[in-house]
Amino acid sequence: QLQLQESGSGLVKPSQTLSLTCAVSGGSISSGGYSWSWIRQPPGKGLEWIGYIYHSGSTYYNPSLKSRVTISVDRSKNQFSLKLSSVTAADTAVYYCARGVDYGDSRISHFDYWGQGTLVTVSS
Amino acid sequence: QSALTQPASVSGSPGQSITISCTGTSSDVGGYNYVSWYQQHPGKAPKLMIYDVSNRPSGVSNRFSGSKSGNTASLTISGLQAEDEADYYCSSYTSSSTLLVFGGGTKLTVL
Repeated sequence: QLQLQESGSGLVKPSQTLSLTCAVSGGSISSGGYSWSWIRQPPGKGLEWIGYIYHSGSTYYNPSLKSRVTISVDRSKNQFSLKLSSVTAADTAVYYCARGVDYGDSRISHFDYWGQGTLVTVSS
Repeated sequence: QSALTQPASVSGSPGQSITISCTGTSSDVGGYNYVSWYQQHPGKAPKLMIYDVSNRPSGVSNRFSGSKSGNTASLTISGLQAEDEADYYCSSYTSSSTLLVFGGGTKLTVL
């Protein structure tokens, strides 16, 4: 059974960089047909897709966050990471990592496994 | 404002059926069969309920079904149970640069 687990700082100061890691267990991050995404949910609000990375290292970011986002993968540790720079209070959210399923055409069909989520608060 | 439009809330009594709509455009819902639905209980991660418009993952009750007509996708829950009370989100691939969009979510109340 695949499991994803987020970790990282729960409190970040404004203008600093948010850093999170998603550890994948029960399966390989290098498996074909899957992408690895970050999704966030501000308190009391809906879901927002941040971006994804393939095991090859290729990435795609939501244009609304693209200038501030970096997603990277560490295949040796079977994990991937998120960095979001210049954060503000609007970046306060629960951040989820998830496995995306595509059919070889780089179009994400759905997310079949999710981490439990981690709350990141931006405050001085 | 979310790219996909869902009703903010729906309600139903135990045993009844309800339908949640998810309206997009020809660039997302209407143009591709990559619509999925997620159930989220308070404080929990979303759970995949339907993918590719109408497919159910293993382990999801057959009381949950999905469909699509034009630019609107729908999630139907039959035989409502108390445990179905949750937030539901739709999602779709989009040909726009955003690539992946969610609906704003619908709160289901079981009366």
